[in-house]
Order: sequence, then structure tokens, then C-alpha cells
Amino acid sequence: DADVTQTPRNRITKTGKRIMLECSQTKGHDRMYWYRQDPGLGLRLIYYSFDVKDINKGEISDGYSVSRQAQAKFSLSLESAIPNQTALYFCATSDPGTGAYEQYFGPGTRLTVT
Amino acid sequence: GQNIDQPTEMTATEGAIVQINCTYQTSGFNGLFWYQQHAGEAPTFLSYNVLDGLEEKGRFSSFLSRSKGYSYLLLKELQMKDSASYLCAVRQYSGNTPLVFGKGTRLSVIA
Repeated sequence: DADVTQTPRNRITKTGKRIMLECSQTKGHDRMYWYRQDPGLGLRLIYYSFDVKDINKGEISDGYSVSRQAQAKFSLSLESAIPNQTALYFCATSDPGTGAYEQYFGPGTRLTVT
Repeated sequence: GQNIDQPTEMTATEGAIVQINCTYQTSGFNGLFWYQQHAGEAPTFLSYNVLDGLEEKGRFSSFLSRSKGYSYLLLKELQMKDSASYLCAVRQYSGNTPLVFGKGTRLSVIA
């Protein structure tokens, strides 16, 4: 089973709709992140959380909100989706304990807003 | 501010060696990472440098010069499966802070 899972994997929605992307992890990591990836723009950080009580804005948080329901779950919401939020969204986790603290990515959610 | 630059695209021949460069200008520096990402898939971790010098891991090596704000990823004995995007990322601050990513280099390996 995958360590970091994202649901849904693909979603098409209409402008103005509310949508939630979910991320779950079994790695036992405290740190969780949401990125979006657009062609030619690379990965950009939306929000991150160091534990259940800690939520931080990233580079491009406008239009998004998050919820850290438990250590293993971190959800990203678009309250009123707009077409320029069409992108590939990745959740990631990292381990605070040792080594390089590299980030482990989920498989991604491809979101299209029409 | 922060700026991480990498070439947008590169092409190399199967069996050859390719070097992908990354330069960075960031508020702080506490490590540089390389990730591989196949089209439509998640990035996967390749290497980490925090001190100057070369880190070797099989066919992949990564080099860092902190004074020059420069790193490269070296891929030897290229295989078709190495066709992917390669992402350079910097951790700016100490501890387990988020990474800042470059825009990635799309490598095409041709026969």
C-alpha cells in the first residue's frame, strides 16, 4: 500500500463550486504540505503543517484553505473554484526526526475547473 | 527573495553522461535536494547535499558549491527510463522547513 495517498486522483468541477482534496499518510510523519504544479512554473507551496495545531501559509495560499484533522490527514479546500486553479496538486510529508528530512509525495490530484 | 534556476529542457543520448545545473539565490541555505519526476507522476527523492562536494549514489551524483550558489546532478550511463523532469530544491532554514523548488529540467534520452 502507498504511504501517501490522495483522493480524488482526478476531478473536473465548475467555476464557483467548493471542492476538497484529501491526503492521508501512514508514514507517521508530523509534517505535511500541499503544493500545486503548473506547466513551466514548477512546484509551488500552498500550505504546510508541522503538527495538528500548526498551520502555515505558503507562497500561494490565496483562494485555498486547509484542515489538519489528525496527524495522518491533511485536506485542501477550494471554497469557490476558478479556472486558474486548474493544476496538478501534490500532498507531501516529511519526517522531523532524522537525516535530510526529504519530502515524500503522494500520487497527485489532477484538478480541472471549467 | 528566492530564485532557483535550471535549464528548461535537455536532450542526451542513451549511454552518455549528462549534467543538469542548478543555481540558487535564497534568503538562507540549509541543504539542496534533487528530485526525479516522470510525466504525470509524483516527484521522488534522488539526492541531498548540505556540505560542499560530491555525493555519489550509483549512476547518479550530485555536487554542491555553497560559495557559488551552484549545484549539478550528473547522470551516467543514461537509460531511456531516465527521461523525466529533474527538480532542484533548496531548504532555506534550519530544521524541517519546506523546500523551495526550481521549475525543473525536462530531460529527454534518445537512442
